[in-house]
Amino acid sequence: DTAVSQTPKYLVTQMGNDKSIKCEQNLGHDTMYWYKQDSKKFLKIMFSYNNKELIINETVPNRFSPKSPDKAHLNLHINSLELGDSAVYFCASSQGGASPYGYTFGSGTRLTVV
Amino acid sequence: AQSVAQPEDQVNVAEGNPLTVKCTYSVSGNPYLFWYVQYPNRGLQFLLKYITGDNLVKGSYGFEAEFNKSQTSFHLKKPSALVSDSALYFCAVSFTGGGNKLTFGTGTQLKVEL
Repeated sequence: DTAVSQTPKYLVTQMGNDKSIKCEQNLGHDTMYWYKQDSKKFLKIMFSYNNKELIINETVPNRFSPKSPDKAHLNLHINSLELGDSAVYFCASSQGGASPYGYTFGSGTRLTVV
Repeated sequence: AQSVAQPEDQVNVAEGNPLTVKCTYSVSGNPYLFWYVQYPNRGLQFLLKYITGDNLVKGSYGFEAEFNKSQTSFHLKKPSALVSDSALYFCAVSFTGGGNKLTFGTGTQLKVEL
């Protein structure tokens, strides 16, 4: 069983479209995250939810909206997609926050905006 | 604030030779330090972590890392490199009282050649 699963794995879409990426974890963790990995492989945190409550919201355009229906799911909705949104988006989860347990990552969603 | 530096974009080593991937950090409390590995088109996999205690930490696939508080470093090491170790390696840090945020370095591409 996959611990942290993301769908879809690949997403190709046109500028201006709205799309969603879904994430589910079966580890019983109470905290989930979205990270963006750019073309230079740099990883930057976007959002974090703890038990469905938003606790980290980095400087991200408000076209990005996370939603957590329960503590096992964290989805990412992106409105009006732009070329610069092309990246790999990783979902992750942890128990009790990053300190000191670290994260378990999903395999990523490669978003390409054309 | 917290930050991580990986000074080398790429490290090349011959198979069978020892390898070192460097990492230095800056935090305002006691650090929690992690190493992750990313293979092509895959998510990040946990290798090892330092929380407290023994400065030498052993992890997966024969990797180890040494925590050096005075030099604020957490270098990743392996006594004998394998071609299959070739991947992208990330150092990451959080700290006591730092909440859920795990900050990653920029990554170091390890290439092990025959």
